[in-house]
Amino acid sequence: DIQMTQSPSTLSASVGDRVTITCRANETIDGFLSWYQQKPGTAPKALIYGASNLQSGVPSRFSGSGSGTDFTLTITSLQPEDFATYYCQQSYSTQYTFGQGTKLEI
Amino acid sequence: QVQLVQSGGEVKKPGASVKVSCKTSGYTFNGYYINWVRQAPGQGLEWLGRIHPNDGATNYGRRFQGRITVTRDTSTGTSYLQLDSLRSDDTAVYYCARMKIARFCGGGICYSSAIDSWGQGTLVIVSS
Repeated sequence: DIQMTQSPSTLSASVGDRVTITCRANETIDGFLSWYQQKPGTAPKALIYGASNLQSGVPSRFSGSGSGTDFTLTITSLQPEDFATYYCQQSYSTQYTFGQGTKLEI
Repeated sequence: QVQLVQSGGEVKKPGASVKVSCKTSGYTFNGYYINWVRQAPGQGLEWLGRIHPNDGATNYGRRFQGRITVTRDTSTGTSYLQLDSLRSDDTAVYYCARMKIARFCGGGICYSSAIDSWGQGTLVIVSS
């Protein structure tokens, strides 16, 4: 299976900050990388698909980049509602896998 | 609007099976895979498998091969997840979620859409 490794596991930040979360695949996945946000007790919400395409309705302070094996999710000007857990996920192979998650906390 | 509505929570004994349903509405069923993803308490997301709506072809996570079955009923737009030989570490919230089948290429890279709509989740507790 393709392994997805996120870093950091936990990230402390403040409202207004710019933060970056990285996701690395152990083999190339081209652009088959999505990012999700999850808040406690709720289903995940898609933010980014195709490594850099913003999902409809997602604020433009979220952006993604990368291809191949290395990817980043950047949030500029953090808002209070952005404190959540973020996951990357590959859909390159027929065995999808998620990263272990990054908890963004105040 | 797009909806995926799952069946209610279950409590099962170790060794039993569980079957969770996911009824979809508000979109063309044939255009999207149905994926199943679970989340154990306090843990991350784990992909279990997916089904192609048209031909019923399935792909399963290697960890679950042999004890997972995903099916679909195209007449009702419903997918089912069955997990057999339950263990205590199968205790989790199970989600169904749709993902567009199409793949795209542009700017030198190829990609697919994200899993863009999720069910509300079904809590399955495995306990003796």
